[in-house]
Amino acid sequence: GQNIDQPTEMTATEGAIVQINCTYQTSGFNGLFWYQQHAGEAPTFLSYNVLDGLEGKGRFSSFLSRSKGYSYLLLKELQMKDSASYLCAVPREANNLFFGTGTRLTVIP
Amino acid sequence: KAGVTQTPRYLIKTRGQQVTLSCSPISGHRSVSWYQQTPGQGLQFLFEYFSETQRNKGNFPGRFSGRQFSNSRSEMNVSTLELGDSALYLCASSPGTELYEQYFGPGTRLTVT
Repeated sequence: GQNIDQPTEMTATEGAIVQINCTYQTSGFNGLFWYQQHAGEAPTFLSYNVLDGLEGKGRFSSFLSRSKGYSYLLLKELQMKDSASYLCAVPREANNLFFGTGTRLTVIP
Repeated sequence: KAGVTQTPRYLIKTRGQQVTLSCSPISGHRSVSWYQQTPGQGLQFLFEYFSETQRNKGNFPGRFSGRQFSNSRSEMNVSTLELGDSALYLCASSPGTELYEQYFGPGTRLTVT
């Protein structure tokens, strides 16, 4: 089966850097997704990691360690508009994602 | 390219009634997945359709069903509504059967009273 753990809430200051962690357990690893969801809106794709290491361009990047069952999303130069929920997900099959309950990030001035 | 559209956006129903929700995927996408989102359980997979066939099904009772049409549009139906069915229902489209990012629609907010 699958299990995902993420912190429920985080608060960070505008302009700062924040790291949102995700630990997962899954049989047959097929990569890990990160989605962003603003309140009342649809989730939007941020990243997909299948190999170990840090990937990403711009302010958002994501890290994966398959041996540790661990990923994190790194947000730099935080902006107020980054206040949202960040969802970690692993595929069970193609187009069937198992989501964590998400981390609600609040960016304060 | 137009995004994923869902209708209606908001719906209020009474316990025991049934409801049908509609999803139009991005043009050219053949896979449609449905998810239920609640504050307590988060996003949970309901089922996925590809080329008019249900390929995967989540752990939901048989009251939840769906179908997909030849133009890839999909509907989901919930019969005998219960209070616990109140949720945001999201559909997501994807080009095909390979692992790929899914594009979510804005969702249908269903309230059961």
